[in-house]
Amino acid sequence: QVQLVQSGAEVKKPGASVKVSCKSSGYIFTTHFIHWVRQAPGLGLEWMGIMNPTGGSTTYAQKFQGRVIMTRDTSTSTVYMELSSLKSDDTAIYYCVRGSDSSWPWNYYYYIDVWGKGTTVTVSS
Amino acid sequence: DIQMTQSPSSLSASVGDRITITCRASQGINNYLAWFQQIPGKAPKSLIYDASTLQSGVPSKFSGSGSGTDFTLTISNLQPEDFATYYCQQYNSYPVTFGQGTKVEIK
Repeated sequence: QVQLVQSGAEVKKPGASVKVSCKSSGYIFTTHFIHWVRQAPGLGLEWMGIMNPTGGSTTYAQKFQGRVIMTRDTSTSTVYMELSSLKSDDTAIYYCVRGSDSSWPWNYYYYIDVWGKGTTVTVSS
Repeated sequence: DIQMTQSPSSLSASVGDRITITCRASQGINNYLAWFQQIPGKAPKSLIYDASTLQSGVPSKFSGSGSGTDFTLTISNLQPEDFATYYCQQYNSYPVTFGQGTKVEIK
């Protein structure tokens, strides 16, 4: 079955960077987009961006532009999300989420379905 | 950005009840609306996409409707495992946005 397995919890100091991994299995890695969504403690869901694993192209939410980089390693079916210049309000659970099949109509570009279990990132001095 | 507003923010219901959650978009999103269920301590789970299409394996007690800007999620015959927070999400346009969530609690 489709699975997205994320890396373990991280504790970082303000100003540092964090890199979270997301390994896909159960489907052909390059056929589906991957999104990142975060959830601050007790709060709602916030979309960060999308990556096309085929060519590596990305679209980031404006709020994170300049601070987030999404990359991938097709040999291991893994997507990475690196967030820099961390602040205390970046403390959150970071989820990778499978998106639509890239062969679907363009209207489904931002569709999401299967979620990873999440990676807790704590930013504290 | 398209704002997604859910109502109510929370509700109390009993086992066996039927409930309805509303999601309103600040502008038309066609039918590009999804619903997710989040049990405390777990990742969200996709229930419905395209406003009314059940994801594979989701029981028919969940149903969605609506179009344009107004959408609803209905859950019938509430069971203990259904008490959770529910989120709507629009995928019509950039950036993806979510409702603030509706927490369904046991009365």
